[in-house]
Amino acid sequence: GENVEQHPSTLSVQEGDSAVIKCTYSDSASNYFPWYKQELGKGPQLIIDIRSNVGEKKDQRIAVTLNKTAKHFSLHITETQPEDSAVYFCAATSTYGGSNYKLTFGKGTLLTVNP
Amino acid sequence: NAGVMQNPRHLVRRRGQEARLRCSPMKGHSHVYWYRQLPEEGLKFMVYLQKENIIDESGMPKERFSAEFPKEGPSILRIQQVVRGDSAAYFCASSPGQGDTQYFGPGTRLTVL
Repeated sequence: GENVEQHPSTLSVQEGDSAVIKCTYSDSASNYFPWYKQELGKGPQLIIDIRSNVGEKKDQRIAVTLNKTAKHFSLHITETQPEDSAVYFCAATSTYGGSNYKLTFGKGTLLTVNP
Repeated sequence: NAGVMQNPRHLVRRRGQEARLRCSPMKGHSHVYWYRQLPEEGLKFMVYLQKENIIDESGMPKERFSAEFPKEGPSILRIQQVVRGDSAAYFCASSPGQGDTQYFGPGTRLTVL
């Protein structure tokens, strides 16, 4: 089955700096890669996603890049703000066996933005 | 436009009791997924249901766990004879179709004493 590795597990940045979180996946059949933000005591909230026919996607301060050959994808947050502090999860789904609904998550990155 | 609703938000049970977790999908969504999150871990897929059908329960323990999504009413995740290892946050997600973006609810945090 799919395996997703996420790094780093914790990340501390100063307000205004950029933050980058990286994930690798094992299944070359994976074709959908969402990123979720989870605040304490809340459910995961989708912040951006990318499909395998696209190499990069941007939404204001957030961007995701995908390298299918190397099987890794990254989340980039620019001009970080204290309210960006949360746990961020990457995930992947595979088309193998028709299971294009089964999200496999990384273990998360705790991002702290210091004022 | 209400999102995915889950209740209760917190549930405390003693070992051996039953836990029932409820999930109401977003309006217009007929696909429901349950995930479990252990402390400091990512979410793990448990089961995928459509109205009245279990599509994939490969991530759900064979014993004590069951799920349903009836024609009317919320989806239910049922854990019988709970043990301490069942303590976790259980999240429900929904989507309009298979393979579509999944939107998560706030979760139910189960504590087994």
